[in-house]
Amino acid sequence: GQNIDQPTEMTATEGAIVQINCTYQTSGFNGLFWYQQHAGEAPTFLSYNVLDGLEEKGRFSSFLSRSKGYSYLLLKELQMKDSASYLCCYWAGGFKTIFGAGTRLFVKA
Amino acid sequence: DGGITQSPKYLFRKEGQNVTLSCEQNLNHDAMYWYRQDPGQGLRLIYYSQIVNDFQKGDIAEGYSVSREKKESFPLTVTSAQKNPTAFYLCASSIGQGRQPQHFGDGTRLSIL
Repeated sequence: GQNIDQPTEMTATEGAIVQINCTYQTSGFNGLFWYQQHAGEAPTFLSYNVLDGLEEKGRFSSFLSRSKGYSYLLLKELQMKDSASYLCCYWAGGFKTIFGAGTRLFVKA
Repeated sequence: DGGITQSPKYLFRKEGQNVTLSCEQNLNHDAMYWYRQDPGQGLRLIYYSQIVNDFQKGDIAEGYSVSREKKESFPLTVTSAQKNPTAFYLCASSIGQGRQPQHFGDGTRLSIL
């Protein structure tokens, strides 16, 4: 199968830390992406993990465990502009990318 | 600045009508893609193209057609055979295969009159 699962919605407070989890079917996995998408706009690339461990990019970090089929996106010092959908997806080889349904994050003051 | 331009942003289709969605990129990317986005579902691949004059069906190609006559352009036609066309359509491009991040356009929202 090509299942990829992430929570539908999350709410967090401005200035806080939030972790968005993603689990995926491990067969056919070649690497994992996270994208950010504001409503009605283009998804934009956040991170790509191919090896196990944590990759940090400013306020955003992404973690991967290939043996567990698990990733998370960590957002620190949340800002109101971080309210968006976060798409977890994995590269299944060639030109095939499998996308999750996305997690809608609401940041409240 | 380089990027991907989709037009129009909103499109309405009458029953039995074909409509064409435009996608242009000036990133000099070889690969281009069309996705459909529905509420509560992940992006689903309609068609992709690795190079000019070549394109391949994705997971949900029925009722759609594409062309790739120029590197910069990858238009999508939604034909009358597509019975449920109401969706948000996203065009993307990448330098090469899936290990490369995709750059997306701002999308076209298609609705049925």
